[in-house]
Amino acid sequence: EIVMTQSPATLSLSPGERATLSCRASQSVNRHLAWYQQEPGQAPRLLIYGISTRATGVPARFTGSGSETEFTLTISSLQSEDFAIYYCQQHNNWPWTFGQGTKVEIK
Amino acid sequence: EVQLVQSGAEMKKAGESLKISCKGSGYSFTTYWIGWVRQMPGKGLEWMAIIRPGYSDTRYSPSFQGHITISADESITTAYLQLSSLKASDTAMYYCATLVGAIYFWGQGTLITVSS
Repeated sequence: EIVMTQSPATLSLSPGERATLSCRASQSVNRHLAWYQQEPGQAPRLLIYGISTRATGVPARFTGSGSETEFTLTISSLQSEDFAIYYCQQHNNWPWTFGQGTKVEIK
Repeated sequence: EVQLVQSGAEMKKAGESLKISCKGSGYSFTTYWIGWVRQMPGKGLEWMAIIRPGYSDTRYSPSFQGHITISADESITTAYLQLSSLKASDTAMYYCATLVGAIYFWGQGTLITVSS
């Protein structure tokens, strides 16, 4: 099983600041890497797929990057609606696996 | 437009069984993987099982094998998750999701509450 490790667990930032979230895979996942945002009581929302492609309707302030085993989600300037939990997920090998999540909270 | 609509919340007693559903529309149901994700209260996301309906291909996560059954009815474009011998620890939100190309689409979630 590919283990996905996200860091940090919690990111405390102010609106307008830049957020950098990391995700590491225990082995290569090629381009089969997605990022999700989840707000309390809501289903996960797909933000990024294929490492760097924004899903429909996702603002340009969200950027995905990386390759093989190291990936980054950057939010260039945090808006109030961006404070949530973010998960990375690989679908290169079954079982598909998620990271444990990074909570972006208001400082 | 791809849509997944899940069945409603359920309350069950320990030891009972349960089957929940997820109806897909707006895409080729038989072509793409569709599966189930568990989220226990206050916890992260876990893939449980996936099925590719047109190919009768199913895969189970080792963490869930033996306790769940995934199935699909192509005629009504619906996927199912059956849980047997429910325990209080099965209390969770269950999401269905499909991978169309490289894009995931999700259902709204089904809350299962199991009382002991």
